[in-house]
Amino acid sequence: TQLLEQSPQFLSIQEGENLTVYCNSSSVFSSLQWYRQEPGEGPVLLVTVVTGGEVKKLKRLTFQFGDARKDSSLHITAAQPGDTGLYLCAGARAIQGAQKLVFGQGTRLTINP
Amino acid sequence: EPEVTQTPSHQVTQMGQEVILRCVPISNHLYFYWYRQILGQKVEFLVSFYNNEISEKSEIFDDQFSVERPDGSNFTLKIRSTKLEDSAMYFCASSELGRTYEQYFGPGTRLTVT
Repeated sequence: TQLLEQSPQFLSIQEGENLTVYCNSSSVFSSLQWYRQEPGEGPVLLVTVVTGGEVKKLKRLTFQFGDARKDSSLHITAAQPGDTGLYLCAGARAIQGAQKLVFGQGTRLTINP
Repeated sequence: EPEVTQTPSHQVTQMGQEVILRCVPISNHLYFYWYRQILGQKVEFLVSFYNNEISEKSEIFDDQFSVERPDGSNFTLKIRSTKLEDSAMYFCASSELGRTYEQYFGPGTRLTVT
């Protein structure tokens, strides 16, 4: 069974602080996706990482894929209230063809003004 | 920007009834998926579909479930005889050839079985 564990599950910080959330597994994934999900809505794709050690930046968000492709992190610099939400990581095992994504349980982030 | 759409947004049905959830994937995508999310739990894979065939299905996707692409735009999930435990958000997703791991999700259908 492939599992993705996210930590922390809940994080509440003040506006302007930096934070990192983690997504860990004992399994190797061919790619890893980060999504953001608002209550009652579908996950919205933020980024995909496919190469071990890969780093991608999206404004104040930095995503990294572990060298062994078993883990990933999301770092937010100078967090803003608009960053509040549920962040999900999801991994794919196959290289091509239809993919089954395995999701973590999410990190619920609250940024207080 | 192209997006996945789903109808209805909320479906209430009685136990034992059949429901059909509808999705319109992004137009140039060839791979289609259904996932579900029970309230407070992880998003779970149900089924993937390509070239008019199921590519993979999970243990959840038993004989009560079926998928179909009845025309060139719609992708449907049918539950033949709903159970209370089928109550969940059902998400459709699609991806393009060559980047099948990048799946774009619809807004979901909230299914409530009473």
